[in-house]
Amino acid sequence: AQSVTQPDIHITVSEGASLELRCNYSYGATPYLFWYVQSPGQGLQLLLKYFSGDTLVQGIKGFEAEFKRSQSSFNLRKPSVHWSDAAEYFCAVGGAGGYNKLIFGAGTRLAVHP
Amino acid sequence: DAGITQSPRHKVTETGTPVTLRCHQTENHRYMYWYRQDPGHGLRLIHYSYGVKDTDKGEVSDGYSVSRSKTEDFLLTLESATSSQTSVYFCAISESDSTDTQYFGPGTRLTVL
Repeated sequence: AQSVTQPDIHITVSEGASLELRCNYSYGATPYLFWYVQSPGQGLQLLLKYFSGDTLVQGIKGFEAEFKRSQSSFNLRKPSVHWSDAAEYFCAVGGAGGYNKLIFGAGTRLAVHP
Repeated sequence: DAGITQSPRHKVTETGTPVTLRCHQTENHRYMYWYRQDPGHGLRLIHYSYGVKDTDKGEVSDGYSVSRSKTEDFLLTLESATSSQTSVYFCAISESDSTDTQYFGPGTRLTVL
């Protein structure tokens, strides 16, 4: 069965520090991978997505993610975190071939210390 | 921002009462989705629609029904609300299937007493 695991429920970093949020997926076919961000009291917003091609994907707000097929991972990174990045981050996997369901991970809540 | 509205934004109801949540879009997207968000579970798909009158179940569909009579509206109904259905409900839309970007509404916070 398809699944997404985000091993870290909460992460705290200092402003200006680098960030890596982990995501592992289980999917039998070619995965379509997404990272979404949710600010408090808001809906979800797409940060970036990967379908094919270059395994390093650039997104909005200075985020990037790297697809590693051998590790079934799609980790999100940012070189220098800003206080406004405090939010909850969700990794998700979708697919082609008539599979119309996006599977989300449980999320990682990021806190940023000044 | 994608034109997606949800109504109501907040609702408190009692166990056993029917509840209908509405999602309205102005983007003319084919696909519409209802998710629920609960701590520790992320977002879980309840039902989705791939066209007018075309719907299918998600992973947590028990106790929920949906209808889509127009492209722009997707209704989620709890026939007889239970406390376990207390949650935040999100509507999303996309032009294509799960390979496409989904755009999310602001959410509806439902409390069942």
